[in-house]
Amino acid sequence: QMQLVQSGPEVKKPGTSVKVSCKTSGFTFSNSAVQWVRQARGQRLEWIGWIVVGSGGTNYAQKFQRRVTIARDMSTGTAYMELSTLRSEDTAVYYCATGVTSFRSWGQGTLVTVSS
Amino acid sequence: DIQMTQSPSSLSASVGDRVTIICRASQSISSLLNWYQQKPGKAPNLLIYAASSLQSGVPSRFSGSGSGTDFTLTISSLQPEDFGTYYCQQNYNTPYTFGQGTKLEIK
Repeated sequence: QMQLVQSGPEVKKPGTSVKVSCKTSGFTFSNSAVQWVRQARGQRLEWIGWIVVGSGGTNYAQKFQRRVTIARDMSTGTAYMELSTLRSEDTAVYYCATGVTSFRSWGQGTLVTVSS
Repeated sequence: DIQMTQSPSSLSASVGDRVTIICRASQSISSLLNWYQQKPGKAPNLLIYAASSLQSGVPSRFSGSGSGTDFTLTISSLQPEDFGTYYCQQNYNTPYTFGQGTKLEIK
């Protein structure tokens, strides 16, 4: 059974960075892709980017291109998403999910709050 | 970016009703369209992929159709557990984009 378990909630000040982890189990991590999506309160889902785990290749939404880094640690089966230069508009629940063309299994979400 | 627009934004229906949600893309996306259900405080759950393929474990009362720019999600006989918000998502090209959601309430 596919499982993705994310790190806990974060409170950050504007201008700082946050790193969210996504630990996977129940499938072959090296043959997968991990997507990152966020959702601000009451808003639609917003795609951030993805990583092809085997090659380490990434693809980011242009909106986040300059501020986001998605990485993976194949030894622990964990993917990471780091977002820098945080602003209040980045307050949202951040999700990881597996899949290339559809998001088949999801983490439970990590609430990131950006507040001075 | 490809814009995804759903209608209606919300609806209320009774148990046993047939429910239809529409999703329209701003350009042709072939059949590269997925549907998700999200319940309050939870992650989305994949229902339909590639416009009409039922994800494993999803009840057969859910079905999807369409291609090009116009797509439909249908629930053939609404059940109490079907409340939530439904999103369409295109994977024709990046950035992958989602519709604004359709909030379904049970009368």
